[in-house]
Amino acid sequence: DQQVKQNSPSLSVQEGRISILNCDYTNSMFDYFLWYKKYPAEGPTFLISISSIKDKNEDGRFTVFLNKSAKHLSLHIVPSQPGDSAVYFCAARVNTGNQFYFGTGTSLTVIP
Amino acid sequence: EAGVAQSPRYKIIEKRQSVAFWCNPISGHATLYWYQQILGQGPKLLIQFQNNGVVDDSQLPKDRFSAERLKGVDSTLKIQPAKLEDSAVYLCASSTITAGREQYFGPGTRLTVT
Repeated sequence: DQQVKQNSPSLSVQEGRISILNCDYTNSMFDYFLWYKKYPAEGPTFLISISSIKDKNEDGRFTVFLNKSAKHLSLHIVPSQPGDSAVYFCAARVNTGNQFYFGTGTSLTVIP
Repeated sequence: EAGVAQSPRYKIIEKRQSVAFWCNPISGHATLYWYQQILGQGPKLLIQFQNNGVVDDSQLPKDRFSAERLKGVDSTLKIQPAKLEDSAVYLCASSTITAGREQYFGPGTRLTVT
């Protein structure tokens, strides 16, 4: 049972434009959400996170939005740069445990 | 600060053989995770340690997979015997107890079972 879903396997964006990556979840017990970025042959690296008590968190070019009623999470990258080209995973944690559930990833390509 | 180290980076074995992976977490990180990432999927937690105790191993196929973390530092994950469906990247991650939420991943070991 996939509790965290990323329905877009890939996304292409022009350099300088906004990239929007989406993530949906089914478990209302998730209390913490993260985005990871992964380059080929490397492990995922933490990018940005948000607690369920917030609806927005911003860090430089990266902003994560959380819509709890829709069980939807999105990552905005503005402006997009070619170095942002990578696979992005969203992950969520249940408030009663330590296990993180990952989505299947979205491959972002930023075209120069 | 040195990151999470894993070895080997790549391994090819035949089915029914055994294999072991090694992980050295970031110094001072009490929590260590092993994930399995099958091609096209997100990482799936196999086992989580806090110091040298197991916190969660509910998704570890215990008939063939085993893991240990002696002395609360390095960890090994073993598969015996391997099956074709074990072909995946095995990721090790670590975190502090207090941070707990941000996991630092190693580069992974890509296992191919033929």
